[in-house]
Amino acid sequence: EIVLTQSPATLSLSPGERATLSCRASQSVSSSLAWYQQRPGQAPSLLIYDASNRATGVPARFSASGSGTDFTLTISSLEPEDFAVYFCQHRSSWPPYTFGRGTKLEIK
Amino acid sequence: EVQLLESGGGLIQPGGSLRLSCATSGFTFSASAMSWVRQAPGKGLEWVSLIYSGGSSTYYVDSVKGRFTISRDNSKNTLYLQMNSLRAEDTAVYYCAKDRYYASGSSYLDYWGQGTLVTVSS
Repeated sequence: EIVLTQSPATLSLSPGERATLSCRASQSVSSSLAWYQQRPGQAPSLLIYDASNRATGVPARFSASGSGTDFTLTISSLEPEDFAVYFCQHRSSWPPYTFGRGTKLEIK
Repeated sequence: EVQLLESGGGLIQPGGSLRLSCATSGFTFSASAMSWVRQAPGKGLEWVSLIYSGGSSTYYVDSVKGRFTISRDNSKNTLYLQMNSLRAEDTAVYYCAKDRYYASGSSYLDYWGQGTLVTVSS
């Protein structure tokens, strides 16, 4: 089973600041990695697929990079609605398609 | 508009059974792989199960193998999760989600329902 480790667990920033979130895989997942955003009380929503592609309707302030075992999600200038929990998930080879434990992005 | 609506959750005693349903609309259900993902209260997401469009290929996380069964009725555009021998650790919100394949050949969960809460407790 591939383990995804997200860091930091919590990130405290102010609106307008830049956020950098990390996801590390226990073995290579190539580029088969997604990022999801979950706002309080809501279902998750797809942000990024194939490690670096924004899903439909996702603002350009969200960008992502990485391949193999190390991945990064960057939010260039935080908006109030961006404060949420972010999860990475691999879709490499066979299941289980594990998620990371998440990074909570909170307002400082 | 794509819609996914889960139902069937509730309070159940340990060892009991529940069947979750996910009614869908707004896309070609019969052509889409579908997944169940759960989230224990205050915790992260856990991928539970996947079923491909034809229904013959299914996959499960180890913790539910032999207890849960994913299925689908393409004539009713509905996804199911039969959960038997339920345990306290199965307590969670259960989401159904639609898989979408991209040009890379990988698929990701592009639409999610709002979830249904399953509580396993005596």
